[in-house]
Amino acid sequence: ETGVTQTPRHLVMGMTNKKSLKCEQHLGHNAMYWYKQSAKKPLELMFVYNFKEQTENNSVPSRFSPECPNSSHLFLHLHTLQPEDSALYLCASSQALAGGPDTQYFGPGTRLTVL
Amino acid sequence: GQNIDQPTEMTATEGAIVQINCTYQTSGFNGLFWYQQHAGEAPTFLSYNVLDGLEEKGRFSSFLSRSKGYSYLLLKELQMKDSASYLCAGMDSNYQLIWGAGTKLIIKP
Repeated sequence: ETGVTQTPRHLVMGMTNKKSLKCEQHLGHNAMYWYKQSAKKPLELMFVYNFKEQTENNSVPSRFSPECPNSSHLFLHLHTLQPEDSALYLCASSQALAGGPDTQYFGPGTRLTVL
Repeated sequence: GQNIDQPTEMTATEGAIVQINCTYQTSGFNGLFWYQQHAGEAPTFLSYNVLDGLEEKGRFSSFLSRSKGYSYLLLKELQMKDSASYLCAGMDSNYQLIWGAGTKLIIKP
């Protein structure tokens, strides 16, 4: 399955570093999502973009900064993270059907460790 | 509040049948999704139910009862490759997914 790709797959960073996560979807979708997945916890929705416009920001700390230059690419810029930010960061995309349910397709995630 | 409950872990035997239950409370309801996630991999879409009843897809079936706020995923003829986490998610009135913490299914020979 190569519909949604994410790089890097693994990332170790210090609390003072700046890094970026990249997501690309090849499905022709118009909505893209960032999720945080911590062990034994539900997926936490962080950001949603519909047609390149940010439509959701679920009270995410400003040390996480999303960017969506076009419908196929999504970035998550990271700076001055905390150890509790260590998690699997998943990107997803969907067609963004107006006024209807939408199936999300996920990338393999970036396993982030903050030291 | 909105909530999804599913068991943390289940164990089953190869070749057997297992049922993973999920109860949901959402603000409005626009359907119930099941995803499979192997360790270190992407969650992959399994099923979507919005009407009551059972939907079958090969070895996997998904059931929904809207009056009871309940769904289950039924896996038949279990294979070792079915060892994975199974995520239940309800879609609310804003078409936002509310996720459960996932059920880790362990298949034993």
